[in-house]
Amino acid sequence: EVQLVESGGGLVKPGGSLRLSCAASGFTFSPYTMNWVRQAPGKGLEWVSSINSRSSYIYYADSVKGRFTISRDNANNSLFLQMNSLRAEDTAVYYCAREGFKDGYNYFDCWGQGTLVTVSS
Amino acid sequence: SSELTQDPAVSVALGQTVRITCQGDNLRRYYANWYQQKSGQAPVLVIYVKNNRPSGIPDRFSGSSSGNTASLTITGAQAEDEADYYCNSRDSSGEQYVFGTGTKVTVL
Repeated sequence: EVQLVESGGGLVKPGGSLRLSCAASGFTFSPYTMNWVRQAPGKGLEWVSSINSRSSYIYYADSVKGRFTISRDNANNSLFLQMNSLRAEDTAVYYCAREGFKDGYNYFDCWGQGTLVTVSS
Repeated sequence: SSELTQDPAVSVALGQTVRITCQGDNLRRYYANWYQQKSGQAPVLVIYVKNNRPSGIPDRFSGSSSGNTASLTITGAQAEDEADYYCNSRDSSGEQYVFGTGTKVTVL
């Protein structure tokens, strides 16, 4: 069974840091581009960042650029998101999502259950 | 980045058909994907690359596209289809992704 399990969420003060992890299982992790997507309480989905299989192509949403860093460890089937200089508006459930590819187009075909990050003093 | 606009909410009688739309300039270049999110759960992919259904998704879900508008149609809506639905695609830069504003579907 394909599974993505996020961890590392919690309560952090504004300006603080947090590192999220996503453990993948049930599929060969290394060839897939992976993403982080977040959802603020009561709000819609917001794409955060993506990293390709070799970590050679990394992209960020404008809202997190310069503060968040995505990385991966293919040997251990893991995805990470280092979040620095956190703001109240970063409060959200953070999902890890696998990226599928068909006919030149991309989509998110598998999602974790999410981990909640709360930024508050 | 680009925006994808959806109607905030629609309702449909049990067994009837409902169409959810998603509008955005980048849809002229990229196909939309559709995700279903039930209350308190993670999103689930229901339609990808215009009109492909992942394994396990009922065939009452279908997708289409014309110009700057993508549509998700539920033919014969069931009670379990009540959820929030989001479209998504690449943005105009091709490097980022964008999600639609979401549509809450209520099955009456």
